Amino acid sequence: DQQVKQNSPSLSVQEGRISILNCDYTNSMFDYFLWYKKYPAEGPTFLISISSIKDKNEDGRFTVFLNKSAKHLSLHIVPSQPGDSAVYFCAASLRSNDYKLSFGAGTTVTVRA
Amino acid sequence: ETGVTQSPTHLIKTRGQQVTLRCSSQSGHNTVSWYQQALGQGPQFIFQYYREEENGRGNFPPRFSGLQFPNYSSELNVNALELDDSALYLCASSPQGWQDYGYTFGSGTRLTVV
Repeated sequence: DQQVKQNSPSLSVQEGRISILNCDYTNSMFDYFLWYKKYPAEGPTFLISISSIKDKNEDGRFTVFLNKSAKHLSLHIVPSQPGDSAVYFCAASLRSNDYKLSFGAGTTVTVRA
Repeated sequence: ETGVTQSPTHLIKTRGQQVTLRCSSQSGHNTVSWYQQALGQGPQFIFQYYREEENGRGNFPPRFSGLQFPNYSSELNVNALELDDSALYLCASSPQGWQDYGYTFGSGTRLTVV
């Protein structure tokens, strides 16, 4: 049962442009949503998170938007840099489930120079 | 902070064998989770330990078992290995309760079952 879905397996963007990554979920009870970034041969590293009581959270070049009615969130990276080339995972958690994470399948971002 | 360290980094086992993967949690973290990441997929939750007790389990059979030790290090044991167990196994730790960053992940152990 895939509760978190990332329907775009890959995204290619030119350096300096905006990258938009999308994520959909099915469980309306999720409390928190996170984005992780993963380079080859490394574990996922935290990028940004958002609580279900908010609709936007910003941290530098990264902004996450949450649309609860649509059960949809997105990650915007502006401007995109070559170092942003990685796999990005969307994850969701439930406080009532001790914050265990449900992950999407990931989106591979390639930033072209 | 030393982060989360996992060993070994790579492992090749034969079908039917048993394997033990190890994880050293980040200092001060008393909660550890294990995830399985198959090729082309996102990490899947296996189980979580808090203060040496199992605190939730994902959709994995009983041949996947774990331990957490008083120093909060952890082991993942898999018995009767199957070819489909080939994956990256990730250990993640956190203090109790919600953290904005979720969990701190290790670099993983790449298990290949032949």
